[in-house]
Amino acid sequence: DAGITQSPRHKVTETGTPVTLRCHQTENHRYMYWYRQDPGHGLRLIHYSYGVKDTDKGEVSDGYSVSRSKTEDFLLTLESATSSQTSVYFCAISAAMNTGELFFGEGSRLTVL
Amino acid sequence: SQQGEEDPQALSIQEGENATMNCSYKTSINNLQWYRQNSGRGLVHLILIRSNEREKHSGRLRVTLDTSKKSSSLLITASRAADTASYFCATDSGGGADGLTFGKGTHLIIQP
Repeated sequence: DAGITQSPRHKVTETGTPVTLRCHQTENHRYMYWYRQDPGHGLRLIHYSYGVKDTDKGEVSDGYSVSRSKTEDFLLTLESATSSQTSVYFCAISAAMNTGELFFGEGSRLTVL
Repeated sequence: SQQGEEDPQALSIQEGENATMNCSYKTSINNLQWYRQNSGRGLVHLILIRSNEREKHSGRLRVTLDTSKKSSSLLITASRAADTASYFCATDSGGGADGLTFGKGTHLIIQP
């Protein structure tokens, strides 16, 4: 299994609070991604990174920010969580953009009350 | 917006039968990938087919790609209970940017 660790795996928080999800990889892959998975929507890309300090927005980036200060870590931050951000968040990594397979973490289930 | 759309949304078959899932997409692609997701787990890559390929095999998996129809199919032969999962197709945008776009998935149930 690819070395991807997401933390926390489960979190319950209240509306308006900040939340940070962490993705840690041991594969030294250049590309890292954050997706959210919701019933009826499948997986949607939030943000991705193509190197240290290099990030870009995905399809559903509003309300989210990311940071990548080290190759191995990609952080997803909800500055002020809303109930619409209740979801399962998946981190993924790849050695190549689009042309290679993605390796996924086990997911972080976030509930915003 | 969703690039790939799987069909059917759900499929229930008997163990030993073949399962076929379809994926349609909207714009030109460089490659198409299929992933499996077991309940409560992350997605696992199954197979990648490039736009200049028409068919690819991997074990009990057979994938076809018809770029003229912008569609792909995933065939699982001799299904097993362990194949019960959701299956997703994923496409790139063709331009090399923006990551992969996933469909909503087909939920496959294999009845013992």
